[in-house]
Amino acid sequence: EDQVTQSPEALRLQEGESSSLNCSYTVSGLRGLFWYRQDPGKGPEFLFTLYSAGEEKEKERLKATLTKKESFLHITAPKPEDSATYLCAVQASGGSYIPTFGRGTSLIVHP
Amino acid sequence: EPEVTQTPSHQVTQMGQEVILRCVPISNHLYFYWYRQILGQKVEFLVSFYNNEISEKSEIFDDQFSVERPDGSNFTLKIRSTKLEDSAMYFCASGDGEADSPLHFGNGTRLTVT
Repeated sequence: EDQVTQSPEALRLQEGESSSLNCSYTVSGLRGLFWYRQDPGKGPEFLFTLYSAGEEKEKERLKATLTKKESFLHITAPKPEDSATYLCAVQASGGSYIPTFGRGTSLIVHP
Repeated sequence: EPEVTQTPSHQVTQMGQEVILRCVPISNHLYFYWYRQILGQKVEFLVSFYNNEISEKSEIFDDQFSVERPDGSNFTLKIRSTKLEDSAMYFCASGDGEADSPLHFGNGTRLTVT
């Protein structure tokens, strides 16, 4: 069964303190890995898609990377407005194309 | 930027009542989805819809659930007889039809069953 595990469950950072979030996955074949941001009471907001090992994508203070078994979301010099839950979703190749979500990492950035 | 819109934002209903959750997907998208998120848990897939029929559904999507695209813009989720455990955030999403393109989500309907 395809699985997506995110760690840590929660992360508290001081403003400017860089860190990384992890998404480990086990799928028979990866078609795409998606990162989303979710604010309280809102729907997931798309950030990145990664397709193959070695790929990197950047957006402002966020950079997503991908290996054959996991993806990292690096947050450089975070600001309080980066506080949110970050979700990882994996789409397997072959069979169902429905993305499976992890439980997310709740990030709080203190000023 | 086009977005997925959902109504109502919050729905309170009594156990056993029928509810209809409404969504307007992004206009040029072809694939439509419903997901739910129970408080504190992960986002779970319910059903996908393409070309006016269900293309895939999860174990959660039993006979109490149905989906419909009654016109060219709306996409609805009906729960026939709500249970307490149906209380959750329900998210509608749409995609442009490319198998590996991201889903775009609405802001959800919070369903509370009392």
